[in-house]
Amino acid sequence: GAGVSQSPSNKVTEKGKDVELRCDPISGHTALYWYRQSLGQGLEFLIYFQGNSAPDKSGLPSDRFSAERTGGSVSTLTIQRTQQEDSAVYLCASSLGRSGNIQYFGAGTRLSVL
Amino acid sequence: QKEVEQNSGPLSVPEGAIASLNCTYSDRGSQSFFWYRQYSGKSPELIMFIYSNGDKEDGRFTAQLNKASQYVSLLIRDSQPSDSATYLCAVNTGGFKTIFGAGTRLFVKA
Repeated sequence: GAGVSQSPSNKVTEKGKDVELRCDPISGHTALYWYRQSLGQGLEFLIYFQGNSAPDKSGLPSDRFSAERTGGSVSTLTIQRTQQEDSAVYLCASSLGRSGNIQYFGAGTRLSVL
Repeated sequence: QKEVEQNSGPLSVPEGAIASLNCTYSDRGSQSFFWYRQYSGKSPELIMFIYSNGDKEDGRFTAQLNKASQYVSLLIRDSQPSDSATYLCAVNTGGFKTIFGAGTRLFVKA
């Protein structure tokens, strides 16, 4: 596709359930980023991938969060045993695999944990 | 001290005025600087990027960078109500990680 695609656009889940969020980057972009944005707040860095490897996982809030990327393309962010404080918009961005490159964002997944 | 700091606002300017948005950063090794615009409920979109000291102009937008002062700004001339949004400053230190500020909310009054 022409842009970064994220699915689902909205996800409502019950506390304690696992969720998977998907990101399909721009074709040819080797770097992929996940951010979290709570209501009225800035972007919180979670993790980035260069190819299939994740050199920097420092932003993952807890061991309930994990992410993988396969084939240098699609990435999945998994949140296990969701908590109400996980409710936020999860944004994915991709960029060409060079330092300092512009990041292009998907529309995000709005996660609501009841 | 936060790595990238912005005044949260809101910054309110009348239509047609110049809006000035400011950002400071802590890492002197920072090399690339970006301004993103985020409308309510939408994802960030790139407005400007700047790599060198000085000014960079694109239409009604001018980005200004002063590495000695660790300061980057965005000027919006002839502000329009459609410019009302949150503006995010982002800084890259040379690796792949980019740090975003919390954003400044701008209101342009018609």
